[in-house]
Amino acid sequence: GEDVEQSLFLSVREGDSSVINCTYTDSSSTYLYWYKQEPGAGLQLLTYIFSNMDMKQDQRLTVLLNKKDKHLSLRIADTQTGDSAIYFCAERQHMEYGNKLVFGAGTILRVKS
Amino acid sequence: DAGVTQSPTHLIKTRGQQVTLRCSPKSGHDTVSWYQQALGQGPQFIFQYYEEEERQRGNFPDRFSGHQFPNYSSELNVNALLLGDSALYLCASSLLGGPSTDTQYFGPGTRLTVL
Repeated sequence: GEDVEQSLFLSVREGDSSVINCTYTDSSSTYLYWYKQEPGAGLQLLTYIFSNMDMKQDQRLTVLLNKKDKHLSLRIADTQTGDSAIYFCAERQHMEYGNKLVFGAGTILRVKS
Repeated sequence: DAGVTQSPTHLIKTRGQQVTLRCSPKSGHDTVSWYQQALGQGPQFIFQYYEEEERQRGNFPDRFSGHQFPNYSSELNVNALLLGDSALYLCASSLLGGPSTDTQYFGPGTRLTVL
């Protein structure tokens, strides 16, 4: 199947670290993405990683990839109230003439002050 | 540098009507993809346009059609609207084979409500 799965909800206190988890399906080389969506808005690209990498760090964001288990995680350090949003994991899947993104259902992150 | 823009922001239609949504890609991008996001779900791929042609299509009926213009902007048309077509429609642009390797950047979306 082409399902990407995510945990549905995460609640953390301001200043703590948040870890959002995702499992994907494609065993071939691909790109994996994290997008953020605030209420009523489109998707903001946060970061991406190629499947031959184990880790990528970008300021407060750390992406960890376990290719054997097809498991991806996004760690947000020093979580702030402005980080409250829905986070989507997406897998780029190749098609005959192009590619598409397959998304999980999203993880709602709530940050309590 | 302008990002991806979409119009209109919101739209209300009744069942059976037709609708056209518009998208302008990020400057320098040549590929446009459309996604449907129902409430509480992740976006679902509708189709992708490159060089004014539909390259690939997801599991959507023929009521959904599109177009890409020479300036790379794109339209999404939906005919014979159903209540289930109510959703946020997202446009994403990318550069085929570019440095960011087809990374897709999304617009703010068009919220379609079908009554």
